[in-house]
Amino acid sequence: EDKVVQSPLSLVVHEGDTVTLNCSYEVTNFRSLLWYKQEKKAPTFLFMLTSSGIEKKSGRLSSILDKKELFSILNITATQTGDSAVYLCAVESPQGGSEKLVFGKGTKLTVNP
Amino acid sequence: KAGVTQTPRYLIKTRGQQVTLSCSPISGHRSVSWYQQTPGQGLQFLFEYFSETQRNKGNFPGRFSGRQFSNSRSEMNVSTLELGDSALYLCASSLSGNYGYTFGSGTRLTVV
Repeated sequence: EDKVVQSPLSLVVHEGDTVTLNCSYEVTNFRSLLWYKQEKKAPTFLFMLTSSGIEKKSGRLSSILDKKELFSILNITATQTGDSAVYLCAVESPQGGSEKLVFGKGTKLTVNP
Repeated sequence: KAGVTQTPRYLIKTRGQQVTLSCSPISGHRSVSWYQQTPGQGLQFLFEYFSETQRNKGNFPGRFSGRQFSNSRSEMNVSTLELGDSALYLCASSLSGNYGYTFGSGTRLTVV
């Protein structure tokens, strides 16, 4: 059975701290790994990773994928209260002519002022 | 451009009833996927439709069904509601069912 595991499940930090969120996966077919940020309801897209070792960056956020060890990390530097959210990791898995996203349970990040 | 629109935003239903949720994808997107999100299980894939055909289905009972119309709008139906069906139901649209999924804000279903 396809599985995505995120750790930690929750994290409380102070503004300015740097955090690292982890995502490991076991899937039959792998196309890409995606990170989403979910604040209220709609998850919003952060990164898509398809190749090992290539870091994707967007402002204070960055992410990298290791396809050999089957994991990814999401780093957030100089955290702000607006970074408080649930961060979701998903693996895109081709099946039956289409794709499905297999999600981890998320990491709830709380950034205190 | 308009995002993914889900209606209604909130629903309260009684056990045994049925419910229909609607999802209008981004214009031009032909793939619509549905997910159930609960605190215990996280986000779980329900099914995916492309050009009015169900291409993929998750591990949910037959009480969960869906369809897609020629304008790519999709509906999902849950019959004989159970308390455990209480969840946030999210749909996501994409051009062809891979890459660039955009999620709607979801329908919060409460079964009492």
